[in-house]
Amino acid sequence: ETGVTQSPTHLIKTRGQQVTLRCSSQSGHNTVSWYQQALGQGPQFIFQYYREEENGRGNFPPRFSGLQFPNYSSELNVNALELDDSALYLCASSLSGAQQETQYFGPGTRLLVL
Amino acid sequence: GDSVTQMEGPVTLSEEAFLTINCTYTATGYPSLFWYVQYPGEGLQLLLKATKADDKGSNKGFEATYRKETTSFHLEKGSVQVSDSAVYFCALPNYGGSQGNLIFGKGTKLSVKP
Repeated sequence: ETGVTQSPTHLIKTRGQQVTLRCSSQSGHNTVSWYQQALGQGPQFIFQYYREEENGRGNFPPRFSGLQFPNYSSELNVNALELDDSALYLCASSLSGAQQETQYFGPGTRLLVL
Repeated sequence: GDSVTQMEGPVTLSEEAFLTINCTYTATGYPSLFWYVQYPGEGLQLLLKATKADDKGSNKGFEATYRKETTSFHLEKGSVQVSDSAVYFCALPNYGGSQGNLIFGKGTKLSVKP
């Protein structure tokens, strides 16, 4: 069984730039959620994708956007990067329905915005 | 809204000591409850879960019992090892908000000394 994978592992950008992060879900999982984890904090929910559509969103501005592809993999795009966007971005996959609450996380992408 | 409160860290223990990390929650109804662990430089790993009151989740020597009377889900281990050094997060699903996303506590850092 293949776990959740994310790329790249690390990324350095400058303020105002745009970034795309990628996630491949665990085998058989059709739901992908993205979280932002600032240093020393718990993860904060960004949004979730199911059947290629956004299925829920946390308190993040529209410059955070995403996609899900037919193979259930997903992208997180962040436009107009700000210094506070520096964080670990975590992708989690799950089954749908009642089982979507049990989420399995990838290793994360560490983004540094200078 | 729903929330999770964890004991403040860091927690420093000697090898073979007994571990308790407190977690209490506020939620409507009786949500599933989770403990995740994050080793240094890594993503989150699901450690254990419980889906209903009085359930006991267990894994790798860790245990937690779902107590609805005290709205608690404390994590325990009888004899910690140096390899248990990590950050531990308590979490519950946000049924009241976006579908299926998890609400995390702030995390408790555990350091185990030889």
